Amino acid sequence: GAVVSQHPSWVICKSGTSVKIECRSLDFQATTMFWYRQFPKQSLMLMATSNEGSKATYEQGVEKDKFLINHASLTLSTLTVTSAHPEDSSFYICSARVWRVLDYEQFFGPGTRLTVL
Amino acid sequence: ILNVEQSPQSLHVQEGDSTNFTCSFPSSNFYALHWYRWETAKSPEALFVMTLNGDEKKKGRISATLNTKEGYSYLYIKGSQPEDSATYLCAFNGNKLVFGAGTILRVKS
Repeated sequence: GAVVSQHPSWVICKSGTSVKIECRSLDFQATTMFWYRQFPKQSLMLMATSNEGSKATYEQGVEKDKFLINHASLTLSTLTVTSAHPEDSSFYICSARVWRVLDYEQFFGPGTRLTVL
Repeated sequence: ILNVEQSPQSLHVQEGDSTNFTCSFPSSNFYALHWYRWETAKSPEALFVMTLNGDEKKKGRISATLNTKEGYSYLYIKGSQPEDSATYLCAFNGNKLVFGAGTILRVKS
């Protein structure tokens, strides 16, 4: 299957700082990538859809100025958590979509654990 | 708001036992149902993408069935092994994936 990498795998930062998370498709091109967040014992929740060369589409309740998404190339999307606060501490995971004949698959990165002190 | 439910929340079985879990999803606006296997510290791994009512797919000892009319899918593992220990996620695909909270499977040797 297609491989998606994510960096860093974990990060600890101070409140008020910004953190950038990278998501890369290693052996394929992805025009569409997705960013999810997971709180303990909850489902993966879609935050935004990242489209190469255009603005991201954010889900209801997700602040676009807080979570900046850039998809400047067909293999890289970045999520920047700006002015992070303790409530932003969570597990962030990206995925890239690959279209098949009748449907599509999404391949996931391993995720990033963000802890804001 | 779409609701995707998985049950049970967690499951402990002995090596060699067969097991199954359930994913319930809305029966309207169905496009596909995805199953993933997610081991700790690794990427979720796609198991199946199911699109047709009555579909049954198999990969080794793992199989899945789909009923789109009543809105459920079953995942079966035959002869569980310790390496099957993982979280199993299902995701309903309307026009984007909506995930259940997962079933945590622990297989004891």
